Parts: sequence; C-alpha cells; structure tokens
Amino acid sequence: DQQVKQNSPSLSVQEGRISILNCDYTNSMFDYFLWYKKYPAEGPTFLISISSIKDKNEDGRFTVFLNKSAKHLSLHIVPSQPGDSAVYFCAASGTGTASKLTFGTGTRLQVTL
Amino acid sequence: DTGVSQDPRHKITKRGQNVTFRCDPISEHNRLYWYRQTLGQGPEFLTYFQNEAQLEKSRLLSDRFSAERPKGSFSTLEIQRTEQGDSAMYLCASSLSIAKNIQYFGAGTRLSVL
Repeated sequence: DQQVKQNSPSLSVQEGRISILNCDYTNSMFDYFLWYKKYPAEGPTFLISISSIKDKNEDGRFTVFLNKSAKHLSLHIVPSQPGDSAVYFCAASGTGTASKLTFGTGTRLQVTL
Repeated sequence: DTGVSQDPRHKITKRGQNVTFRCDPISEHNRLYWYRQTLGQGPEFLTYFQNEAQLEKSRLLSDRFSAERPKGSFSTLEIQRTEQGDSAMYLCASSLSIAKNIQYFGAGTRLSVL
C-alpha cells in the first residue's frame, strides 16, 4: 500500500530551466509534507517542507506547492543547477502517525549543461 | 552541530550472524528514528524513540530486530540471525519534538548479508 507516490522515476532538465517534481498521496491524515534530496552514499538531506494549512512555501530556488483537494504536491527548482542532480524524495507525516515519515520511491533528477 | 552520526558505514556479514549498528543523534534532539531503505525504494520506518522510550515499532521490525536508546542519547539497532533479506541501508534520523517533524538523517549503515 503505497501511500506516497512519485510516479516519475527520473527527470532530465537543462541547466537554467525549471525542474518540477511531483508527488501524490492517498492518506488524508497526512498534514505535513517534506522534500529530501539524496546523493549517492549519503543520507537524505532536508530541503523544504509545507504544512497542510498552506498551499505554497518558498526557500530560495525551491518552492513547494500543495493541492489538498487533489492530494498532490510539487517541488519547483528555478533555475536548475548541475549540483541539483540527485534523487528527490517526497515524504509525509500526520498527527496520528507518531510523526514517522512515509516516503515516496524517489525521482532521479539530472540537470544537464 | 555535528549532525547525525552512524557507525559502521558498511557491514558485511554471513547469514545467521548477529549485527549491531549505532546512531548518535544531533545532541539536543530528543526524538530518534530508524528507517530501512532498499534499492529503488524510499526509506521505510522501523521504530522511533522519544528520549529513552520506544514509542512505536513498525510491523517490518520482526522479533529478530531490537532497538535501544538507554540514556536517551545514542541508539543501537541489533539484528539477530541475519537473513539475506536484511540486506539494506539502515538510516537513523533525529528531530526536536518542538520542530515541525523535520528529521535529519545520518549517512546510513549499508548491510550486506552473504
């Protein structure tokens, strides 16, 4: 039962363009959402988060959008840089789930020159 | 802030052996989590502690797995009688309970069971 889904296993974007990574969830109890970036041989690194009371959160080049009615969130990276090449994981937690994170399967982003 | 530290980074063992991993969280963090990640998947929750109390365990955590956090600081995860299916990356994370569930991860321990 995959409660958090990232349907695109990979994405390739040119440097300077926008990268859009998508995530869908099924559990309506989720109220907090996070994006993590993972390089090979390292643990996931926190990028940005959003609470369910908001629909947008920005931090520099990274913006997360949340559409609660569609149970969908997206991460926008503008402009994309080669150092952004990594695997991106969407994660969710809810007040009734003891704060554990439920992760998607990840999207591998490659930013090309 | 030295981040979350995990030891060892890699462990190769033979089936049937016991292994133990250690996690040192960020010093002021009172919540500590263990996750397991296999190839092509995202991390899957195993268990979590608030201070020294183990508050939740996943059904993924069979009776061969045990985790402790004796003084509310570092934690250990032990796997007894390892099986080939235990081969995975074991990740530890920590968070402040007052922070909005932002968990900070260590680099992980990669276990290979031969």
